[in-house]
Amino acid sequence: QVQLQESGPGLVKPFQTLSLTCTVSGGSISSDDSYWNWIRQAPGRGLEWIGYISNSGKTYYNPSLESRLSISLLTSENKFSLNLKYVTVTDTAVYYCARGAHNTSPYNPLNPWGQGTLVTVSS
Amino acid sequence: DIVMTQSPDSLAVPLGERAIINCKSSQSVFYSSNDKDYLAWYQQKPGQPPKLLIYWASTRESGVPDRFTGSGSGTDFTLTINYLQPEDVAVYYCHQYYSFPFTFGPGTTVDIK
Repeated sequence: QVQLQESGPGLVKPFQTLSLTCTVSGGSISSDDSYWNWIRQAPGRGLEWIGYISNSGKTYYNPSLESRLSISLLTSENKFSLNLKYVTVTDTAVYYCARGAHNTSPYNPLNPWGQGTLVTVSS
Repeated sequence: DIVMTQSPDSLAVPLGERAIINCKSSQSVFYSSNDKDYLAWYQQKPGQPPKLLIYWASTRESGVPDRFTGSGSGTDFTLTINYLQPEDVAVYYCHQYYSFPFTFGPGTTVDIK
């Protein structure tokens, strides 16, 4: 059973880079046609899909974040990462990683999810 | 982007009664070539990540109680919770995975009356 766990700094200063890692256990990040997503949820707010990376390294980013965003595979460590540049207070959120539920295409619901990690942007 | 709306924002239902949540997408999420609606429902409890309940609009995820039922097609969808239980108190989100960027509804809070 695949499990995901986010990790990274809980506090980032404005205009710096937010960097998070998602560790995958119970399965391989290199599984054929697997898709690995990032989603965030601002305090008391709804869910915003950030982007995905496939097992082959193909990415798709939310256009609202694309200019600041990078998602990468760390295949040897069975992890994937998120880097978001030039953060502001509006980037304060719980960040989740999640897998595309079925290894067929990127067009799938998200399951399972990591527990999430709160990142606060503040000086 | 496909905009997802939900109604009501919140509802309180007596234990054992039925809760009905509506979700509407700004464009159809039905893909005719495989006859599927690319619509999922999640349950989120405080301090927890969202949990997948329903996908393809009406397919229950493994382990989800059968009192949770998804229905609808095209742009209009419903999540029905029959015989509401205390553990069903949560926020429920609909989610379209028909096109990128994926989008979610704003959530509906379900509580016990």
